[in-house]
Amino acid sequence: DVKVTQSSRYLVKRTGEKVFLECVQDMDHENMFWYRQDPGLGLRLIYFSYDVKMKEKGDIPEGYSVSREKKERFSLILESASTNQTSMYLCASSFVREPTDTQYFGPGTRLTVL
Amino acid sequence: GNSVTQMEGPVTLSEEAFLTINCTYTATGYPSLFWYVQYPGEGLQLLLKATKADDKGSNKGFEATYRKETTSFHLEKGSVQVSDSAVYFCALSDPRGQNFVFGPGTRLSVLP
Repeated sequence: DVKVTQSSRYLVKRTGEKVFLECVQDMDHENMFWYRQDPGLGLRLIYFSYDVKMKEKGDIPEGYSVSREKKERFSLILESASTNQTSMYLCASSFVREPTDTQYFGPGTRLTVL
Repeated sequence: GNSVTQMEGPVTLSEEAFLTINCTYTATGYPSLFWYVQYPGEGLQLLLKATKADDKGSNKGFEATYRKETTSFHLEKGSVQVSDSAVYFCALSDPRGQNFVFGPGTRLSVLP
């Protein structure tokens, strides 16, 4: 079974802190994604990566950065956390394989910024 | 750009009722279509998918048919159970899977 793990299920941080969210997948997937999930807004893509050291901005990259130094690990960084970044963060991964591929999700990290 | 629209929730049904959750999409080319489910406290799981027109995806009693003429991918189940209570997301992707778009989600509650 594909396994996507996230470093924390719940996280509480203070405004201005630097926050790291880690995601690891064990299936040698090329693509990895970070989403945030908010009530009424569904999932919104923050960043994705299709290879080591490669990254692409999603729909809402402002206030976030990412790092992909190894194929299995994709980190989301909040340089200076703000209260409007309180949300559920979901990591996903997938193969690059025609004609389609499926995203596999981690359990999510619920981040609260005070 | 690509987009997905799905019916507003929440949807509340009695056990053994028939379920339909509507999903329509706007996309260029020939996207793949998905339904994901999120149970309370968990991440999203793939429920079913279809990759070309007229394909039917099915899993756990749920079905959805890729209708290109109506740009729809409605989710159906003939008899829901309490354990089906969850949030359901319709989604599409380009063939490389690098441009996923999710709908806002529909919360389903099934009462015993």
